[in-house]
Amino acid sequence: NAGVMQNPRHLVRRRGQEARLRCSPMKGHSHVYWYRQLPEEGLKFMVYLQKENIIDESGMPKERFSAEFPKEGPSILRIQQVVRGDSAAYFCASSPQVLDDTQYFGPGTRLTVL
Amino acid sequence: QKEVEQDPGPLSVPEGAIVSLNCTYSNSAFQYFMWYRQYSRKGPELLMYTYSSGNKEDGRFTAQVDKSSKYISLFIRDSQPSDSATYLCAMSENTGFQKLVFGTGTRLLVSP
Repeated sequence: NAGVMQNPRHLVRRRGQEARLRCSPMKGHSHVYWYRQLPEEGLKFMVYLQKENIIDESGMPKERFSAEFPKEGPSILRIQQVVRGDSAAYFCASSPQVLDDTQYFGPGTRLTVL
Repeated sequence: QKEVEQDPGPLSVPEGAIVSLNCTYSNSAFQYFMWYRQYSRKGPELLMYTYSSGNKEDGRFTAQVDKSSKYISLFIRDSQPSDSATYLCAMSENTGFQKLVFGTGTRLLVSP
């Protein structure tokens, strides 16, 4: 039973480019969460999605960041016109129910902006 | 002031020691409390989950929640070098979904 999958594991972008991070939830999970972990900081909630719906994006920066979870395919976190401050580890988690007892995390995508 | 406070460590102990890891929080609405373990360059792995106050035991791990003091703890008995990792506390309100609020993590080093 495959866990949460994220790709790429490492992503290097130059300032101004776009970054696309992908997350495939565990089989049977329809709830996806994105978190960002900055160096020396804890994980920060960004967005919660269900299939084809953004439920809560209160943790998303107002500009340049967007997320989707289409009916088919992985969830995508998209960062446009990246800046050095976007360098971080981005983790995706999934759960089978809204108030299930756990969120299962993926291995993360480490974004480096040059 | 951060919603969740956690000493970053590192906490160094010899193999076999009892380890105590703690978090304090300020939001009295938190109802769900979790401990995650994160190895270097890996994703967080859920260790313990507690709803509201009380204790929960799972093998060598015991989680305690004291809502009156806004204080949670994770105890590790008979610590092993393989327990060396960063331990993250996380918590959420009962608002329809679990928007987890994490502590910064405590780095634990268990020496053989």
